[in-house]
Amino acid sequence: NAGVMQNPRHLVRRRGQEARLRCSPMKGHSHVYWYRQLPEEGLKFMVYLQKENIIDESGMPKERFSAEFPKEGPSILRIQQVVRGDSAAYFCASSPLLAGTDTQYFGPGTRLTVL
Amino acid sequence: AQSVTQLGSHVSVSEGALVLLRCNYSSSVPPYLFWYVQYPNQGLQLLLKYTTGATLVKGINGFEAEFKKSETSFHLTKPSAHMSDAAEYFCALNTGANSKLTFGKGITLSVRP
Repeated sequence: NAGVMQNPRHLVRRRGQEARLRCSPMKGHSHVYWYRQLPEEGLKFMVYLQKENIIDESGMPKERFSAEFPKEGPSILRIQQVVRGDSAAYFCASSPLLAGTDTQYFGPGTRLTVL
Repeated sequence: AQSVTQLGSHVSVSEGALVLLRCNYSSSVPPYLFWYVQYPNQGLQLLLKYTTGATLVKGINGFEAEFKKSETSFHLTKPSAHMSDAAEYFCALNTGANSKLTFGKGITLSVRP
């Protein structure tokens, strides 16, 4: 059973460009979480999605950031007009649709560098 | 609101020595507690978790942690450090199934030969 997959692993963008980060959850998992890790800090929650629904976006910046998890295909975290402060590692985690499930399984992350 | 505190940013031990990484939490509801390990340029791997039941939980690679409600702590231990344990360790909590994780800032563990 393949783990959580994220691509690209490394992404370089210039200020003002768009960044698209993809996350394919583990097989059978229908919950996806996005976290951001800034240098010298722990992971910060951004958004929680189920198929075609955003459940909790309390950690998402109000502007420039959006996320989706369509019925088919990977979850996408989109950052428009990137700025240097967006440089970070972005991690996706997934969990299955089971009552009482509490464990999130993490992907390898996408490291975004904004020049 | 929930929070996780990991005091200090770096711990160094000798190979074969006891590893103790501290974690304290604050939560308004009974928490689920987790320890994750992150090797350089990799994702997070689950070491162990506490949900309910036995307060001493055992994880992979010889690690264990004890949930102490009275001390709001969930410290991670390993009796004998190995060079391969060098990594960053994160304590985290959530409040049940399908809820976001709140992480501590992490602790870097170095192991001296």
